[in-house]
Amino acid sequence: QSALTQPRSVSGSPGQSVAISCTGTSSDVGAYNWVSWYQQLPGKAPKLILYDVSRRPSGVPDRFSGSKSANTASLTISGLQAEDEADYHCCSYAGDYVAFGGGTKLTVL
Amino acid sequence: QLLLQESGPGLVRPSETLSLSCTVSGGSLISDDYSWGWIRQPPGKGLEWIGSVSYTGSTYYNPSLKSQVTISIDMSKNQFSLRLHSVTAADTAIYYCSKGHGAIAARVDYWGQGTLVTVSS
Repeated sequence: QSALTQPRSVSGSPGQSVAISCTGTSSDVGAYNWVSWYQQLPGKAPKLILYDVSRRPSGVPDRFSGSKSANTASLTISGLQAEDEADYHCCSYAGDYVAFGGGTKLTVL
Repeated sequence: QLLLQESGPGLVRPSETLSLSCTVSGGSLISDDYSWGWIRQPPGKGLEWIGSVSYTGSTYYNPSLKSQVTISIDMSKNQFSLRLHSVTAADTAIYYCSKGHGAIAARVDYWGQGTLVTVSS
């Protein structure tokens, strides 16, 4: 069982927006603004798409945005594209270790 | 362009020690802002942080794996390594080496391609 809770799957049509939640506790997500999100295409290593809750690395489209409220962080993908179909993992600093979520499969209908 | 490449046996017998190395090319292991880590992913499941090492040799481990894990760094070879002792089938996973921002890094900027390690007799 993963330390952070994500929905197993979400879906949306091209052009729509989808949000993926990541629920932790007051010891991880709620305690620090060090939440990251990773996109993982089939058979590939994860790729960093957001860090420090809402900051985007160079080259990541601004369609990807992040937020946090209390113990829950969220990733929102707007203007959904077929290439966004992937697994998404959240991650949080937890003091003496790093906690990951179980991953969410995004299907673009 | 920084590249990380895992190497090691793809099959390990139960109760034995899993040993992997990560060779870093295109950059130095020396950094005050980054650490070198290991993350694993059981087939079809989520990611799990194993631990990390700084260039000074300081180590940080997932409390749930701490008794089982040793991570070390070899500056002369530009490599860092993972040893996981007394493995069971539950340790079957894709193992990724990584470069992360901070000693215990939620932000991982670079990943190796990953290597599948199967624990089986």
